[in-house]
Amino acid sequence: QVQLVQSGSELKKPGASVKVSCKASGYTFTSHSINWVRQAPGQGLEWMGWISTNTGNPTYAPGFTGRFVFSLDTSVSTAYLQITNLKAEDTAVYYCARDFRINWFDSWGQGTLVTVSS
Amino acid sequence: QSALTQPASVSGSPGQSITISCTGTSSDVGGYNYVSWFQQHPGKAPKLLIYDVSNRPSGVPDRFSGSKSGNTAFLTISGLQAEDEADYHCNSYTNRYSEVFGGGTKLTVL
Repeated sequence: QVQLVQSGSELKKPGASVKVSCKASGYTFTSHSINWVRQAPGQGLEWMGWISTNTGNPTYAPGFTGRFVFSLDTSVSTAYLQITNLKAEDTAVYYCARDFRINWFDSWGQGTLVTVSS
Repeated sequence: QSALTQPASVSGSPGQSITISCTGTSSDVGGYNYVSWFQQHPGKAPKLLIYDVSNRPSGVPDRFSGSKSGNTAFLTISGLQAEDEADYHCNSYTNRYSEVFGGGTKLTVL
């Protein structure tokens, strides 16, 4: 069955970087794009953007340019989210989600909590 | 892209029906039949309930239904059950080749 498994929780200091992984299984990784979604504590979901697993081309939502980088390693069916120069407001749960096609996020990772605190 | 507008909370008694609205603009909800709904229990990942405005993935009970009128989409849950208590999020495709979520609605089953 389709599964997305994310890396574990992270505790980082302001200014540091973090890299979250999202390992896919149960389907052909390059057939469906991966989206990234942020959920700050007690808040709603926020779409960060997506990466084509076919071309590797990333698209970032406004507000997620500059410090946020989406990447892939197709040899291990894994997508990555890297956040640099972490700020306290980056504290959130980050989810990866498979896009079966437009607006059809049919499978989600379990989420990765990133906490930024001095 | 501004978030879609959802009520912060709704409530209903077991067996009743409730409807959650999701209001956008002609650039997102009103412009495409690409609206989806997700259910999220505390500490869990979102789960797809509805896609393409009104379609249910296999395994989702038919108590959950979706519709749209103009720039507003709706999720209706009939025959409320205790396990339906959760947060519900809408999502729409937009004219900027992107996606936008609503702020989320907390459903309380009384």
